[in-house]
Amino acid sequence: AQSVTQLGSHVSVSEGALVLLRCNYSSSVPPYLFWYVQYPNQGLQLLLKYTTGATLVKGINGFEAEFKKSETSFHLTKPSAHMSDAAEYFCAVSEGTGNQFYFGTGTSLTVIP
Amino acid sequence: DTAVSQTPKYLVTQMGNDKSIKCEQNLGHDTMYWYKQDSKKFLKIMFSYNNKELIINETVPNRFSPKSPDKAHLNLHINSLELGDSAVYFCASSLAPGTGELFFGEGSRLTVL
Repeated sequence: AQSVTQLGSHVSVSEGALVLLRCNYSSSVPPYLFWYVQYPNQGLQLLLKYTTGATLVKGINGFEAEFKKSETSFHLTKPSAHMSDAAEYFCAVSEGTGNQFYFGTGTSLTVIP
Repeated sequence: DTAVSQTPKYLVTQMGNDKSIKCEQNLGHDTMYWYKQDSKKFLKIMFSYNNKELIINETVPNRFSPKSPDKAHLNLHINSLELGDSAVYFCASSLAPGTGELFFGEGSRLTVL
């Protein structure tokens, strides 16, 4: 069975500091991995995804994530936080075609001026 | 045009009433979903349809009934509303089950008084 664990339900960083949001997953097959962002009163939108190939994936708004199979992790990073990055972030996993998506419990990112 | 649109955006109603939320996607996707997001932002899959066929039916009270008249539409009808049904309901679509990314609507905030 698949599952997703996001460590830290709330993360605070100073503007300009590194953003690191953690995601670990369990999957019996090579997974498809996703990060979504949810701004207040909006739906989720895709930040980036890993399916196959290069394990370092770049997404929108300067975010990137690295798939580490040995650590079963897919942590999200951004070198320098902006105020506009304040939002809820969700990690998700799928075992591919025919399977459903599983979401983590979300991490709320606060950016301190 | 909005890719995934759901109506209404806000719904306030009394306990015991019946209400419906409609969802339409213009992306040509085969698969549509209903997710429930509670006050702690936790996302829970409720239903998924692939080409009008129900493929995921999680443990949801049978007061909730999805209907897919065609693959571009997935509606959610809720009977005998209870206080605990208050949440934000998100419709989403994907190319196929577990494949690609999920495209979300903006959500329908249901408040049961």
